[in-house]
Amino acid sequence: AQSVSQHNHHVILSEAASLELGCNYSYGGTVNLFWYVQYPGQHLQLLLKYFSGDPLVKGIKGFEAEFIKSKFSFNLRKPSVQWSDTAEYFCAVNEATGGGNKLTFGTGTQLKVEL
Amino acid sequence: EAGVAQSPRYKIIEKRQSVAFWCNPISGHATLYWYQQILGQGPKLLIQFQNNGVVDDSQLPKDRFSAERLKGVDSTLKIQPAKLEDSAVYLCASSLDGQQQYFGPGTRLTVT
Repeated sequence: AQSVSQHNHHVILSEAASLELGCNYSYGGTVNLFWYVQYPGQHLQLLLKYFSGDPLVKGIKGFEAEFIKSKFSFNLRKPSVQWSDTAEYFCAVNEATGGGNKLTFGTGTQLKVEL
Repeated sequence: EAGVAQSPRYKIIEKRQSVAFWCNPISGHATLYWYQQILGQGPKLLIQFQNNGVVDDSQLPKDRFSAERLKGVDSTLKIQPAKLEDSAVYLCASSLDGQQQYFGPGTRLTVT
């Protein structure tokens, strides 16, 4: 079965610091990759996605992620975080299964940005 | 464009009681998903519908959980009887193309 690992469960950064959140998955076939964000009190929102093409994907709010197929990784980055980036971040992988596309989530990383 | 709607937003019940959640997907989205998100974990897929047919219910505890999507639009998820470990947020999502999913606000269930 597909599994998704997010190694950092809690991250605390100061404003303007750089961010990198790790994500690794186990499936060896064709996958679609996602980062979702959940701001306090809000629902899950798509931050960025990778389906094919350029492995460096740019998303909303200055976030980007790089797909490295050989490492089964899809790490999320932001060069300079803001207080408003405080949220929980989920990496997710979508594999094509027999009857549909199954989305598997990591356990999430809680990011706190301090002023 | 209206998003995925869910109700209720919060529900508190005692163990062994029953509860039902409702989801209205984005108009035109054929695929509908129910996820369970336990505190400190990522969402886990419970069941996936394509129109009104079940595509994947392999992780649905069928002895107590049931779901239906009559007419291929709205869906309900039921738990009967509830256990303490069912305390979680239940998320509904929908998709037009089966790849990108749009999530609703969730229903937070507390079982006491």
